[in-house]
Amino acid sequence: GAGVSQSPRYKVAKRGQDVALRCDPISGHVSLFWYQQALGQGPEFLTYFQNEAQLDKSGLPSDRFFAERPEGSVSTLKIQRTQQEDSAVYLCASSLALRGYEQYFGPGTRLTVT
Amino acid sequence: QQPVQSPQAVILREGEDAVINCSSSKALYSVHWYRQKHGEAPVFLMILLKGGEQKGHDKISASFNEKKQQSSLYLTASQLSYSGTYFCGTFATGTASKLTFGTGTRLQVTL
Repeated sequence: GAGVSQSPRYKVAKRGQDVALRCDPISGHVSLFWYQQALGQGPEFLTYFQNEAQLDKSGLPSDRFFAERPEGSVSTLKIQRTQQEDSAVYLCASSLALRGYEQYFGPGTRLTVT
Repeated sequence: QQPVQSPQAVILREGEDAVINCSSSKALYSVHWYRQKHGEAPVFLMILLKGGEQKGHDKISASFNEKKQQSSLYLTASQLSYSGTYFCGTFATGTASKLTFGTGTRLQVTL
């Protein structure tokens, strides 16, 4: 079946612009995660959804970051007033449930803020 | 604090074996292992849920020592396709939803 998809794959934004990154998880996956990956580093947790409920947003770096999953499937990560330090790859992952299950990652969106 | 992996990097000839270690300062519920090639998404390898558990998948296996909060990934008879960066990811006991990735181990397999 289809894996996790993300769009756009690449995004260049000028500092101060708002961006929206989309994630389509695997059908039937209850859990959805967003990660930020800087060059040469491992993914860092941003936020977690169980269906449409955002149960953990402890990793969001500032109030400029906002995520939603209104119908429990597609999710959007929004970054307002982008800054250069927001440049990174944003990865989305989904899984059947939480801790005991593997997470399947999408290809990521590479965001470059100029 | 993220799990520490060792070694940071390793170069192997095809057919050689390697061990990658992952050590956490927190009590662990589970350990996940992923491989990531340059410019691609992390690919799931295996998950270990209980202390002392060992799993195998083809020529890749892993162990999890819950008491020591450590896990090791064993790559035997390495193939060129094994090249990439390996990350362990851990769920600490009591942590609701946060998979914390380790520092990473860059593996290169040559002819």
